[in-house]
Amino acid sequence: GNSVTQMEGPVTLSEEAFLTINCTYTATGYPSLFWYVQYPGEGLQLLLKATKADDKGSNKGFEATYRKETTSFHLEKGSVQVSDSAVYFCALTPNTGGFKTIFGAGTRLFVKA
Amino acid sequence: EAGVTQFPSHSVIEKGQTVTLRCDPISGHDNLYWYRRVMGKEIKFLLHFVKESKQDESGMPNNRFLAERTGGTYSTLKVQPAELEDSGVYFCASSQGDRGQETQYFGPGTRLLVL
Repeated sequence: GNSVTQMEGPVTLSEEAFLTINCTYTATGYPSLFWYVQYPGEGLQLLLKATKADDKGSNKGFEATYRKETTSFHLEKGSVQVSDSAVYFCALTPNTGGFKTIFGAGTRLFVKA
Repeated sequence: EAGVTQFPSHSVIEKGQTVTLRCDPISGHDNLYWYRRVMGKEIKFLLHFVKESKQDESGMPNNRFLAERTGGTYSTLKVQPAELEDSGVYFCASSQGDRGQETQYFGPGTRLLVL
């Protein structure tokens, strides 16, 4: 079946550090891949997405590249800020029928000043 | 354009009581979804409406959960009677289109605590 695995948190970084949150998936065909973010006290927001192999999604300095060969969609940011502290969810929507989004468990990021 | 809205934002009830959650999707979005995150685990799919019809309710945990979308606009999710394990955050999302890979826009969630 379809599944998403992402690195466990929490991840604690100092401001301006480099961030990587690993995400791998299992799915048939070519799913669409997403990163969602949940800031404290708020709902889920779409951060970025990629719909086909080798696509790079980017937003607010975050990037993730759809790697079919490694079934990965790792999230990266070159220099994190305190305001990036949040929970990050990797997710996929399969293209083999059905509309449900499959989420990873979420990774909590703390950024210290 | 208004986003997906959910009401209430928080609900605290006792075991055995009934709670009804409401979701208003983005105007014009035919697809409406319910998800929940229990105890800090994965966000899991509950069900999917296309307009007023239940397209997929494979994620509904048991018959204590009832979702409706009369008229194809807002949706309600009723839990009756609530159990302790129902505590969590209930998210609603909506999307346009019929290909299944359109971006889903999420609401802020309803935090349910069953005591």
